[in-house]
Amino acid sequence: DAGVTQSPTHLIKTRGQQVTLRCSPKSGHDTVSWYQQALGQGPQFIFQYYEEEERQRGNFPDRFSGHQFPNYSSELNVNALLLGDSALYLCASRPTGFYGYTFGSGTRLTVV
Amino acid sequence: KQEVTQIPAALSVPEGENLVLNCSFTDSAIYNLQWFRQDPGKGLTSLLLIQSSQREQTSGRLNASLDKSSGRSTLYIAASQPGDSATYLCAVSSGGFKTIFGAGTRLFVKA
Repeated sequence: DAGVTQSPTHLIKTRGQQVTLRCSPKSGHDTVSWYQQALGQGPQFIFQYYEEEERQRGNFPDRFSGHQFPNYSSELNVNALLLGDSALYLCASRPTGFYGYTFGSGTRLTVV
Repeated sequence: KQEVTQIPAALSVPEGENLVLNCSFTDSAIYNLQWFRQDPGKGLTSLLLIQSSQREQTSGRLNASLDKSSGRSTLYIAASQPGDSATYLCAVSSGGFKTIFGAGTRLFVKA
């Protein structure tokens, strides 16, 4: 049973560019959340998607946007990249209800 | 606003020692608390999930406790091994199912 799959694993972008990260949730999971983890820090909540809608959002600017597709997969888009956007981006999924999250291995984004 | 704090930030112990990692949270109205392990540059591996109605969960050498009234959780690792070296993260799910993480405890177990 495949867990949470994220692509790509690594990415290098230039300041000002746009990037799209992708996530396929674990089978049977319909809720997807995205996190940003800077070096040496805990993951910071970006937003959560359920039923193709953004349900919760953390303290991130509108440059960060997302989408969830009918098959529950999700994308994270970041526009006008800044050097400070360099981080590990983690996708997590869970079934509806009071369940814990399963995390993917992450996408390492470097902005130069 | 939920805030999660983990103490200590780093810990170095000799192999075989029993140890306790601490997690505290400010809002006791939680749904569940989850402990994760993260190896350098990798994703998160779930270790234990404690629902708000539970007091503790056990898996092998790991035991996690939850005291909602005091806003605390502990992760107990018995007979530590070098392979246990990693960062341990505590995550609390509360209002709106937003899950908030602590900054983690970096554990190093010396052989």
